[in-house]
Amino acid sequence: KAGVTQTPRYLIKTRGQQVTLSCSPISGHRSVSWYQQTPGQGLQFLFEYFSETQRNKGNFPGRFSGRQFSNSRSEMNVSTLELGDSALYLCASSPGDGDSPLHFGNGTRLTVT
Amino acid sequence: QKEVEQNSGPLSVPEGAIASLNCTYSDRGSQSFFWYRQYSGKSPELIMFIYSNGDKEDGRFTAQLNKASQYVSLLIRDSQPSDSATYLCAVNGGGGADGLTFGKGTHLIIQP
Repeated sequence: KAGVTQTPRYLIKTRGQQVTLSCSPISGHRSVSWYQQTPGQGLQFLFEYFSETQRNKGNFPGRFSGRQFSNSRSEMNVSTLELGDSALYLCASSPGDGDSPLHFGNGTRLTVT
Repeated sequence: QKEVEQNSGPLSVPEGAIASLNCTYSDRGSQSFFWYRQYSGKSPELIMFIYSNGDKEDGRFTAQLNKASQYVSLLIRDSQPSDSATYLCAVNGGGGADGLTFGKGTHLIIQP
């Protein structure tokens, strides 16, 4: 079974720009979660999508948004990029029953200059 | 605010010895508990999960859960240099609410 696929692997953007990251979950998984990982804050939960609906949301500003498509693929968008948005963005999928482990993709490394 | 605490390390263990990694959590309602391993520059990889009090063994790994003490641990027997990584403890409140809360991880070094 193919794992979670994230694209692109690396991105360099300028302050004020916007960016879209993509995630394809493991086949059959209906839940997709997004996390931001930085050296100082560790892994922080952004949001979770299940059956095309945002089911949970972390404490991030509205500049961070996402969506999920009918095939469970998900995208995450960050608008008006700030230097502090530089991080590893991780997507994880699970069947969506709430207690199943998350399986992470390889991540997208975003650098904002 | 749900919190998961881990000693950041580094924790240095001789090859062949038992490595013991610990984690405490603040939310008494937490239902499921996970250990992830993360190599430098890589994404987290699931090692173990545990839902009930007691021990759960999988190969060289044993997860231990004590809900009364709000404490989770991971034991790695016969430690190998390839076990050198950061180990992340993650806790779920159940039902997927609020997503997983991660600790900041313990950096484990296995000395040959």
